[in-house]
Amino acid sequence: KNEVEQSPQNLTAQEGEFITINCSYSVGISALHWLQQHPGGGIVSLFMLSSGKKKHGRLIATINIQEKHSSLHITASHPRDSAVYICAVWDNNDMRFGAGTRLTVKP
Amino acid sequence: DADVTQTPRNRITKTGKRIMLECSQTKGHDRMYWYRQDPGLGLRLIYYSFDVKDINKGEISDGYSVSRQAQAKFSLSLESAIPNQTALYFCATSDLRTATGELFFGEGSRLTVL
Repeated sequence: KNEVEQSPQNLTAQEGEFITINCSYSVGISALHWLQQHPGGGIVSLFMLSSGKKKHGRLIATINIQEKHSSLHITASHPRDSAVYICAVWDNNDMRFGAGTRLTVKP
Repeated sequence: DADVTQTPRNRITKTGKRIMLECSQTKGHDRMYWYRQDPGLGLRLIYYSFDVKDINKGEISDGYSVSRQAQAKFSLSLESAIPNQTALYFCATSDLRTATGELFFGEGSRLTVL
C-alpha cells in the first residue's frame, strides 16, 4: 500500500466547475505539500500545510491531521488549470509522493 | 533563468551505455535530490545529499550513482543503462534550515533507453 494515496486518478470537468482532489497518508508528518505538474513536465509547489486551511486565488487546500487527510479544491475551474496535481508529505528526510491526479478542464 | 537547471532535457540512448544527468542550482540550498517519475507512480527518491560531503541512498538507488561536485552541482550517473531506467528524472533542492519546507524542482530530464 502506498504511503500517500490520491483520488481520483483522473478527473475531467467542464469550465467553471468546482474541483476536489483528495489525499490520504499513512505516515506521521510535519508538513504536507500540494504540487502542480504541467504537461511540459515542470513541477511547482502550490501549498505547504501543517494544519487548517490555506487559500491562494481560486485554489484552497485543507488538512485534517487527526484523519490524515488533505483536500485540494479549485473554484471556477479553467482550462489552464489542466495539469497533474500531486500530494506529498515529508517522512524523516524524504518526501513521499502520491501518484498524482490528472485534471482536464474542458472549455 | 531557472533556479534549478537540468541537462540534458531529453536523451535517447542504448542499453549498456553510460549516461550522466547534470543538475545545477542558483538557490544556495544545501539539500539536493534526484527523483525518477514513472507513469502511474509517484516520484521516487534515488539519491539525496545534504552537503558536498554527504551522499545518501534513496528508495531506488540500485543501478545509479551520484556525485556532489559543489554545493550547486549534483550529477546522476547510470553506469550501464537498461530499458527499465527509461523515465522522467527530476533534480530538486530544499533549504537545510526548513526541514519540511518547499522543494524546488528542475524541469526534468526525459531518458529513453532502447
